[in-house]
Amino acid sequence: ETGVTQSPTHLIKTRGQQVTLRCSSQSGHNTVSWYQQALGQGPQFIFQYYREEENGRGNFPPRFSGLQFPNYSSELNVNALELDDSALYLCASSTTGLGYTFGSGTRLTVV
Amino acid sequence: SQQGEEDPQALSIQEGENATMNCSYKTSINNLQWYRQNSGRGLVHLILIRSNEREKHSGRLRVTLDTSKKSSSLLITASRAADTASYFCATDDGDYKLSFGAGTTVTVRA
Repeated sequence: ETGVTQSPTHLIKTRGQQVTLRCSSQSGHNTVSWYQQALGQGPQFIFQYYREEENGRGNFPPRFSGLQFPNYSSELNVNALELDDSALYLCASSTTGLGYTFGSGTRLTVV
Repeated sequence: SQQGEEDPQALSIQEGENATMNCSYKTSINNLQWYRQNSGRGLVHLILIRSNEREKHSGRLRVTLDTSKKSSSLLITASRAADTASYFCATDDGDYKLSFGAGTTVTVRA
């Protein structure tokens, strides 16, 4: 079985720009979650998608949005980037919500 | 806000020694999970313990859970240099989201 794949691995954007991060979930997993991890902190839950619908959202503004596709892959979009958005963005997939498989993350730097 | 809090924040041990880290949380949980992260990369799932379990083993890992004290501990026995990483506890309260602590950074000296 394949794991969770995220792209790109690193990204540099300018403040005010928009960014799209991608995630291919593990085969057979229909739930995808996104987390933001600032340097030196634990991951913070952004939102989760289940069968193409948003299933829960953390304390993030609406400029953070997402999509899940019929093949269960997912995108995270962030508009109007701010310096504080610089972080490692992690995607995780699961089937039953027990035991998540995380990708290696996308390191976003906003300058 | 973060549900779990790990203690200590950092730990340095000699190869072959045991490493113990603790996690406290605030609300009721369905299960508690421990993850490892190497050099700011992806998280690796280590072990999951359900709220009705008290202890679980996996290889050199031993996890305990005390729901009355809302705390958990992770013990790594006979540590190796490859165990150098950050370790996070994460609680699942049934809403399918994980709430992480800030982690414990473990350094294993050769």
